[in-house]
Amino acid sequence: GNSVTQMEGPVTLSEEAFLTINCTYTATGYPSLFWYVQYPGEGLQLLLKATKADDKGSNKGFEATYRKETTSFHLEKGSVQVSDSAVYFCALSISNSGYSTLTFGKGTMLLVSP
Amino acid sequence: EAQVTQNPRYLITVTGKKLTVTCSQNMNHEYMSWYRQDPGLGLRQIYYSMNVEVTDKGDVPEGYKVSRKEKRNFPLILESPSPNQTSLYFCASSPRSTGRTYNEQFFGPGTRLTVL
Repeated sequence: GNSVTQMEGPVTLSEEAFLTINCTYTATGYPSLFWYVQYPGEGLQLLLKATKADDKGSNKGFEATYRKETTSFHLEKGSVQVSDSAVYFCALSISNSGYSTLTFGKGTMLLVSP
Repeated sequence: EAQVTQNPRYLITVTGKKLTVTCSQNMNHEYMSWYRQDPGLGLRQIYYSMNVEVTDKGDVPEGYKVSRKEKRNFPLILESPSPNQTSLYFCASSPRSTGRTYNEQFFGPGTRLTVL
């Protein structure tokens, strides 16, 4: 079956530090890959996505590259801010009769201190 | 404003007392889904619906029911809640995809349910 594994948190960083959150996946077929972010007390928002191998998704200074050879989609940001404190979910999507069902990782909490 | 709404946002109830969590979207999306979020387990899909009167089980459907009588609404029903259903619940919706193009799922704000 399909699964997503991401590093456990919390990840604690100081402002302006470099961020990496690792994500690997197992899937049949050719999934699309996503990072969702959940700010405290809110629902999930799509942060970025990549739909095929070697694609790079980017948004708000975050980047992730779809690596088919290593089945990975690691999230990176060069300089984190306090406002980036949130829970980050890696997810994959396989098309199912025209609809994209999501399989999520367990989430990684990021805490950024001033 | 395009959005997914859920009610109530917070609910404390007792074992065995039937409850319904409502979900509504104003984006004319075909696909709707319910997830539960638990510490250390991430989000797991409970049920989903591809269109009106079409529903199917997700990964953890036991103890839940859903209905899709109208396109915009997708209520989650707990006929006899138990403490192990204490969780944070999210509703999501998305339009139908074409080919391999992924359409973003839009999430509601969540409903925190406590079953005593």
